[in-house]
Amino acid sequence: SQTIHQWPATLVQPVGSPLSLECTVEGTSNPNLYWYRQAAGRGLQLLFYSVGIGQISSEVPQNLSASRPQDRQFILSSKKLLLSDSGFYLCAWSGRNQRPQHFGDGTRLSIL
Amino acid sequence: ELKVEQNPLFLSMQEGKNYTIYCNYSTTSDRLYWYRQDPGKSLESLFVLLSNGAVKQEGRLMASLDTKARLSTLHITAAVHDLSATYFCAVVVVSPHYQLIWGAGTKLIIKP
Repeated sequence: SQTIHQWPATLVQPVGSPLSLECTVEGTSNPNLYWYRQAAGRGLQLLFYSVGIGQISSEVPQNLSASRPQDRQFILSSKKLLLSDSGFYLCAWSGRNQRPQHFGDGTRLSIL
Repeated sequence: ELKVEQNPLFLSMQEGKNYTIYCNYSTTSDRLYWYRQDPGKSLESLFVLLSNGAVKQEGRLMASLDTKARLSTLHITAAVHDLSATYFCAVVVVSPHYQLIWGAGTKLIIKP
């Protein structure tokens, strides 16, 4: 069966520090991969999606970036975090043919 | 503009009562997903509705889709405390690329 791992679960970072969140999927190949952000009490905002290695599409301009160095690995990064980057970050995967997305456990990011 | 509107956004109800959450969307789509999110947790897929007239049931929850009216409903029968969560609907669109358009979520509190 397919599983998705996301880490860390919780992160507290100072303003201006770098960020790296990692997500890996097991049990499937060539998945679509997604990064979402959820502000407290709000819905989901799609940040990036990827349909293959090295193929990244950005939905919202910001100081975050994403990379997909391997088929089942998706990384969310920032060189300098802002206070507004605080939130709950969720990685998700889906198969082809418009199947539903399956989510990781999320990373709660607090910027001080 | 693509919009998915859920209502109500917040619902407090007593155990044993019935209620319906509505999900209206503004674009043509024949696929819709319902997800559940517990506080501080990730999203769990509940229902996949793939065609007009689709109806899915799981325990006390029943979801339906009317693609002509661009409306999906999530009906709760004889609510129990364990169903307290935030419920999201997400509509599949394929242009310009495959993506999910998310509702803002309905926070459901069921009082014992």
